[in-house]
Amino acid sequence: QVQLVQSGAEVKKPGASVKVSCKASGYTFTSYGISWVRQAPGQGLEWMGWISAYNGNTNYAQKLQGRVTMTTDTSTSTAYMELRSLRSDDTAVYYCARDQVDTAMAFDYWGQGTLVTVSS
Amino acid sequence: AIRMTQSPSSLSASTGDRVTITCRASQGISSYLAWYQQKPGKAPKLLIYAASTLQSGVPSRFSGSGSGTDFTLTISCLQSEDFATYYCQQYYSYPCTFGQGTKLEIK
Repeated sequence: QVQLVQSGAEVKKPGASVKVSCKASGYTFTSYGISWVRQAPGQGLEWMGWISAYNGNTNYAQKLQGRVTMTTDTSTSTAYMELRSLRSDDTAVYYCARDQVDTAMAFDYWGQGTLVTVSS
Repeated sequence: AIRMTQSPSSLSASTGDRVTITCRASQGISSYLAWYQQKPGKAPKLLIYAASTLQSGVPSRFSGSGSGTDFTLTISCLQSEDFATYYCQQYYSYPCTFGQGTKLEIK
């Protein structure tokens, strides 16, 4: 069965960086991409960006350009999302979700979420 | 970016009711529209993709329709487990965008 298992909760100070992992299993990792979506407390869903697990191509949300980097390790079927220069409004639950590699698709599997708290 | 507008933002209903949530895209997205259900503390769950295709394992009381800019999610006979927040999402083009959500509450 398809599973996306994310790393645990993080507490960071403003200005620091965080790197969240998302380990995939139950499918051919390189046949799909991974999107990252975040949700601030009590708020809606915000798409952060996408990475192709096939060739590493990325597409980031404009508001996060320069602060976010998405990578994959195909040897371990793991995707990573690093966010730098953290601010208090980056406090959110961060989700990874299975996405397309070449044909648009909805996000059919999601990780369990990783709470990132940014506080001094 | 394509803007997705859901209505209503919240909705009170009773078990057994039929409810409809609408989602409007700021430009045409063909049928590249998904609906998700989210319960507190849980990840979103895909209900419907391609505007009207039911995801495997999702009860048939959920249905979706529409194309272009106007879409609807209908729950035909509300069950207790359906009280949650619902989001539409366009995946026609990046950036993917979500509606603001519709919170379905028990009357």
